[in-house]
Amino acid sequence: QSVLTQPPSVSAAPGQKVTISCSGSSSNIGNNYVSWYQQLPGTAPKLLIFDNNKRPSGIPDRFSGSKSGTSATLDITGLQTGDEADYYCATWDNSLSVGVFGGGTKLTVL
Amino acid sequence: EVQLVESGGGLVQPGGSLRLSCAASGFTFSRHDMHWVRQDTGDRLEWVSAIGAAGDTYYSGSVKGRFTISRENAKNSLFLQMDRLSAADTAVYYCVRVGSNAFDMWGRGTMVTVSS
Repeated sequence: QSVLTQPPSVSAAPGQKVTISCSGSSSNIGNNYVSWYQQLPGTAPKLLIFDNNKRPSGIPDRFSGSKSGTSATLDITGLQTGDEADYYCATWDNSLSVGVFGGGTKLTVL
Repeated sequence: EVQLVESGGGLVQPGGSLRLSCAASGFTFSRHDMHWVRQDTGDRLEWVSAIGAAGDTYYSGSVKGRFTISRENAKNSLFLQMDRLSAADTAVYYCVRVGSNAFDMWGRGTMVTVSS
């Protein structure tokens, strides 16, 4: 059971938009930055979003993040088949002094 | 090129030990917090341990007392000593750099299998 809660799967057609949610608590998301990671099959996770809503260099603006209270969301617009991957949210938990991840969301582009 | 390369994984019997290493290159290793994150056979990512640039250490509840994280800045290296291993520790172990409040660089991972 992961500390952060994500939907197990989402799907949408090419060109459409999906939103992946990440729910936590005041001890983690509520008081810390959230980051998002994309994991393509057979590869290591890759940073997509840091500080809730910032993109590293090279990440297209089709990917965006936001945070409100104890929840965060990752939006992906203009879906492409190459976006099919697992997506994870992560942050720090102050009360446990540990890093925490969401359970991951598998994106299928139909 | 910024790179993290893990080594030391393998097959170990329950109750045994392994020492993972991570060789860093292409950046000033001593300035970064470093973490170990593992991914089990069900693809769940689990945070394992962290060591700050100042040497402060943190552990998940599932490994505290069994695993020890350390670093050797002069050799740009991160380590994870894993003792009293069990089947639940079977996973791919990633060495991860922290930058901009996030895990901004990941190694390719090293597989640890605990089985008799």
